[in-house]
Order: sequence, then structure tokens, then C-alpha cells
Amino acid sequence: KAGVTQTPRYLIKTRGQQVTLSCSPISGHRSVSWYQQTPGQGLQFLFEYFSETQRNKGNFPGRFSGRQFSNSRSEMNVSTLELGDSALYLCASSLILGDYEQYFGPGTRLTVT
Amino acid sequence: QQQVKQSPQSLIVQKGGIPIINCAYENTAFDYFPWYQQFPGKGPALLIAIRPDVSEKKEGRFTISFNKSAKQFSLHIMDSQPGDSATYFCAARTRQFYFGTGTSLTVIP
Repeated sequence: KAGVTQTPRYLIKTRGQQVTLSCSPISGHRSVSWYQQTPGQGLQFLFEYFSETQRNKGNFPGRFSGRQFSNSRSEMNVSTLELGDSALYLCASSLILGDYEQYFGPGTRLTVT
Repeated sequence: QQQVKQSPQSLIVQKGGIPIINCAYENTAFDYFPWYQQFPGKGPALLIAIRPDVSEKKEGRFTISFNKSAKQFSLHIMDSQPGDSATYFCAARTRQFYFGTGTSLTVIP
């Protein structure tokens, strides 16, 4: 069974631009969570989607948003990029909402210049 | 505020040694404590996990020790190998996962 896939793997953007990242969960998984990973802060929870609805949200500004489609694929968007948004963005999929086991994708490395 | 505090930040051991990574938490609502292993260029992978009603869990060479009263848990890697060199994250869950800041482990041949 294919794992979680994320596209693109690498991205370079300029301050003020916006970016959209994509995540395809493991087949049959319906819950998708997003995390930001930085050297100083580690992994921080952004949000979780299930059945096309955001079910849980971390402590990030409104510039960070996401959505989930009917096939469980998910996208996250960051608007008005700041230098501090440079990070590895990880997507994790689970069978259902609240599932304890989650499986991570390889991440998208975003660099903001 | 870091909900899960992890130490040490980095660790170097000889092959066959037993590295120990520690985590501490305050929130007694946490009900699931996993450890993840991450190699460069890869996402974290679930290694082993424990619930707070169990004091120890072993899976292969990996053991979690859990001390509920002290609000601490640790990962022990028995007979460590160079292939275990990776970054290890502890985590705790209520409605969402909270991660420690990671420990970079190097196992020297």
C-alpha cells in the first residue's frame, strides 16, 4: 500500500507570496493532520481534517489555512509568507478522526527568502 | 510553552550501548505516549507507544519506561546499532499530538 505522498518536496518563495502544499493520505485513511517542523520548535500541530471539515486547530495565525477534499486529499495554504515560515511541513494520515496511529509523509521543505 | 520536554538534545553512543532519551510532561489529560524515529529527508515514523496504565513496553530492541507519578517517560534502545542513528521524538496526545523537540542520536561503529 502506498504511503503518504506530499507535493512538492521542495519550494522556494519570496516574502509576501502565498503557497499551497498538497497531501495525499494512505488509501482508506480519512483523517489528515498538518505539522510544521523547525529546528528550534520541533513539530507543531497546525490542523486536522476529517470528512472535509477542520476538526482541530493548533496555535497558528490565520495566514495558515487548509482544506480537505471528498477523496481525503488535503491542501494547506500559507498567505503573505514571512521568513519565519521557512520549515518542513509534514502531513500525517490516520484511518479515522482521533486515531492514535498516524503515518507521516516525507514533508515539503519550504524556504522563504 | 513546550508541553512535552525532551532531553538530551543530542547523544553519541558506541555500538552495543544503551542510549536513553527522556521526556517529561505536565498535562495529566495525555492518554497516549508515542515515540517517533526520523531519518534525514524522511517523515517521522512511529516506533513504539504506551498508554499511561502500563509502566513498561518492549518491542524488539526498543523499550518505553513510563512513570505516571513523576510524569516522565523514556526510550531505551538495547544493543544500539549504527542504523539506529536518527532523530527521535517523544509525543503525547489529548485531542492533538504534542511533540518534544527531538534527540539526535549517533551510534558509532
